[in-house]
Amino acid sequence: AQTVTQSQPEMSVQEAETVTLSCTYDTSESDYYLFWYKQPPSRQMILVIRQEAYKQQNATENRFSVNFQKAAKSFSLKISDSQLGDAAMYFCAHGRAFNKFYFGSGTKLNVKP
Amino acid sequence: GAGVSQSPSNKVTEKGKDVELRCDPISGHTALYWYRQSLGQGLEFLIYFQGNSAPDKSGLPSDRFSAERTGGSVSTLTIQRTQQEDSAVYLCASSDLGNQETQYFGPGTRLLVL
Repeated sequence: AQTVTQSQPEMSVQEAETVTLSCTYDTSESDYYLFWYKQPPSRQMILVIRQEAYKQQNATENRFSVNFQKAAKSFSLKISDSQLGDAAMYFCAHGRAFNKFYFGSGTKLNVKP
Repeated sequence: GAGVSQSPSNKVTEKGKDVELRCDPISGHTALYWYRQSLGQGLEFLIYFQGNSAPDKSGLPSDRFSAERTGGSVSTLTIQRTQQEDSAVYLCASSDLGNQETQYFGPGTRLLVL
């Protein structure tokens, strides 16, 4: 089965602190990609970071980084120096080229000033 | 350049009516995807187009749902005889040939069936 599980429906972080969002997935594919998308109240899904499954090195994008554990099928997102603008729903997803994506149910991130 | 656009932004309809939702992908993107997001949920895949053909329609929930894509660009998702359970946000995404593994999303259409 192709599933994505985000076990934290909601999280809070103090501004300037670090927070980690969890994601586990299941796939029978050997070649796939993993993604974190951010969805603010505007509904626009914004790509935060992506990881190629064949790469062992964890992806980083400025304040955003991932901890990819392929054997454990775990793909967590770490946000450093949290900002008020980071408040949003965050969705973990996996997929392959020319194929549909599978999404988790999302984690709502609150950022406290 | 311009991103994925969708229209209308919001649609309110009465149960039993037909609705059409439109998606304009990023220019040059060959692949187009439709997803549905029910309140408080993740995204549920509906259908995928490569060019004008739809290799994967497996997510369409019933025969009331159909989609077409003409000219390899604009796509229309049609829901016939709408039901209240069709109320959701319908999101469209596109990707290009050189970067097929990354999907870029539009702002969605929020559909409310009364």
